Amino acid sequence: DAGITQSPRHKVTETGTPVTLRCHQTENHRYMYWYRQDPGHGLRLIHYSYGVKDTDKGEVSDGYSVSRSKTEDFLLTLESATSSQTSVYFCATTAGLALQDEQYFGPGTRLTVT
Amino acid sequence: GNSVTQMEGPVTLSEEAFLTINCTYTATGYPSLFWYVQYPGEGLQLLLKATKADDKGSNKGFEATYRKETTSFHLEKGSVQVSDSAVYFCALEGVGGSNYKLTFGKGTLLTVNP
Repeated sequence: DAGITQSPRHKVTETGTPVTLRCHQTENHRYMYWYRQDPGHGLRLIHYSYGVKDTDKGEVSDGYSVSRSKTEDFLLTLESATSSQTSVYFCATTAGLALQDEQYFGPGTRLTVT
Repeated sequence: GNSVTQMEGPVTLSEEAFLTINCTYTATGYPSLFWYVQYPGEGLQLLLKATKADDKGSNKGFEATYRKETTSFHLEKGSVQVSDSAVYFCALEGVGGSNYKLTFGKGTLLTVNP
């Protein structure tokens, strides 16, 4: 295991409130990713980071922002949550030392926006 | 852009049956190909991978061969067990400057009955 934790594991929030999800890794991996998993869509990349303070958008980034102030933490923020952001969110990391390095996934955060 | 299409399922089999989950991809060049598995309530974990044409990835009795001519990476297992019940995701990693990003298929739910 790559030592990835996510917090909180479950959250229920109301429409319009800000929400921050945290991903913490202990492997000193350079690359970190946030995905959302929805029925019928598989996993879709929201944002990713290729180093401290280096981030970029994925395919479904609207309504989300991220920050990475240190190697081990990658935060995902929903500035104003909407019901369409109800989902399971997964963080992943990879060392990126060689081609085809695998991604290691956290246990997920189930977010419900009411 | 890159894309992955896999059998959507669900697939229901009896124990010891033969399993095939089809996966085809669209990408430029020679991407790396992966199968990830997600057990109930958990994050994804790498099952197997292949990095060049005609490579065969294998793990835990599962196999998949990278077929460039048919742009396919079908997952097979000769005799499934109840413990193989999970969601299986086919994925590809693009070449050149991809930042190790993965593109996933929508996932295939496999249920194995005793």
